[in-house]
Amino acid sequence: DTEVTQTPKHLVMGMTNKKSLKCEQHMGHRAMYWYKQKAKKPPELMFVYSYEKLSINESVPSRFSPECPNSSLLNLHLHALQPEDSALYLCASSHRTGPSGEQYFGPGTRLTVT
Amino acid sequence: GQQLNQSPQSMFIQEGEDVSMNCTSSSIFNTWLWYKQDPGEGPVLLIALYKAGELTSNGRLTAQFGITRKDSFLNISASIPSDVGIYFCAGQLPGNTPLVFGKGTRLSVIA
Repeated sequence: DTEVTQTPKHLVMGMTNKKSLKCEQHMGHRAMYWYKQKAKKPPELMFVYSYEKLSINESVPSRFSPECPNSSLLNLHLHALQPEDSALYLCASSHRTGPSGEQYFGPGTRLTVT
Repeated sequence: GQQLNQSPQSMFIQEGEDVSMNCTSSSIFNTWLWYKQDPGEGPVLLIALYKAGELTSNGRLTAQFGITRKDSFLNISASIPSDVGIYFCAGQLPGNTPLVFGKGTRLSVIA
């Protein structure tokens, strides 16, 4: 099983709202990732968690706050977003960071900020 | 940052035709991955390559890790309508580094 699940599938939020995106994997992977993807563009890395610790933050604005409660779960807390933050948010996982490479993606959350 | 040059950007082909796309870089990669993404969905891993010269198949798909470690190609044989989508290559540089993605090849299949 190479399944990564994400909820919700779609989310519409105002600029003053607080919401959270959730991601779960049960493959025993120890690395988890958040990506942002705009239409017709490749995924753009936001955060990497390795063994439940944040290892990479690609200079993401503080209105995005990641959290890794345990090895199977990854959250992305959203607050005071801007319309330009509307995008498909993808979660991914891999056995570990580094040369293993194989990342498995979830179906994504389509976020619209109004 | 590092870039992968993926080509072609888009392709329109007849059902039953073979397809070829590739990714090149000026840097050496340790891993090459090929993903397919349908509209509104996440990328699905098709093939992973780990050794220079490696040729790997997955059904009608075949991918190769270039000998120079700076390129990779993906072939799809006898295309069918469900092959429609965006194909991304992704490479991993030596060391503990994030994946680098190509810009994608948008494939359209005409029945």
